[in-house]
Amino acid sequence: DTAVSQTPKYLVTQMGNDKSIKCEQNLGHDTMYWYKQDSKKFLKIMFSYNNKELIINETVPNRFSPKSPDKAHLNLHINSLELGDSAVYFCASSQESLNEQYFGPGTRLTVT
Amino acid sequence: GENVEQHPSTLSVQEGDSAVIKCTYSDSASNYFPWYKQELGKRPQLIIDIRSNVGEKKDQRIAVTLNKTAKHFSLHITETQPEDSAVYFCAAPKRGNMLTFGGGTRLMVKP
Repeated sequence: DTAVSQTPKYLVTQMGNDKSIKCEQNLGHDTMYWYKQDSKKFLKIMFSYNNKELIINETVPNRFSPKSPDKAHLNLHINSLELGDSAVYFCASSQESLNEQYFGPGTRLTVT
Repeated sequence: GENVEQHPSTLSVQEGDSAVIKCTYSDSASNYFPWYKQELGKRPQLIIDIRSNVGEKKDQRIAVTLNKTAKHFSLHITETQPEDSAVYFCAAPKRGNMLTFGGGTRLMVKP
């Protein structure tokens, strides 16, 4: 029933590790996104992806990479985790761009 | 790229009063301006949006106004209630279909 789901909900890991966060949407949307929300609640776009184009926010380190096995999934892979990567990561989707975005519940990543 | 400035960062009002949050943007080509509400520990949810072909949009106690000339838009909440307490984010498009969010406004409605 959940429109946009993410797993895991919490992720605690050590510096230098590689981790992935999964996102699935069952809304039939064609565009998916990843956002990072830091401890000060700033919400920053990381990636926008549809079946034609991946748009990367220029501030995102190349240690972060989105991977889409199909239209309903956009997973986030993070290599060589750093302390500053600790944040809540939200996946979202929309039907085409510049329309209402439905957010997932978020994944709280803690890097120690 | 798009810069979105949001003010105030915190806003405290008495229940029943009105609340106004303002945002300015830099890209004159921007044409879509949503507002999201995020309750503590929850996901952001769209509450209202406006496109550049209109100057105002209302939905019950919530309204958004857009001034394209001045490049600013505002969220108005009337007859505030304690359940309106949350963080509110404005946003504007960046590079076509990505949204740049403002810094957020923490609204506290005192009963």
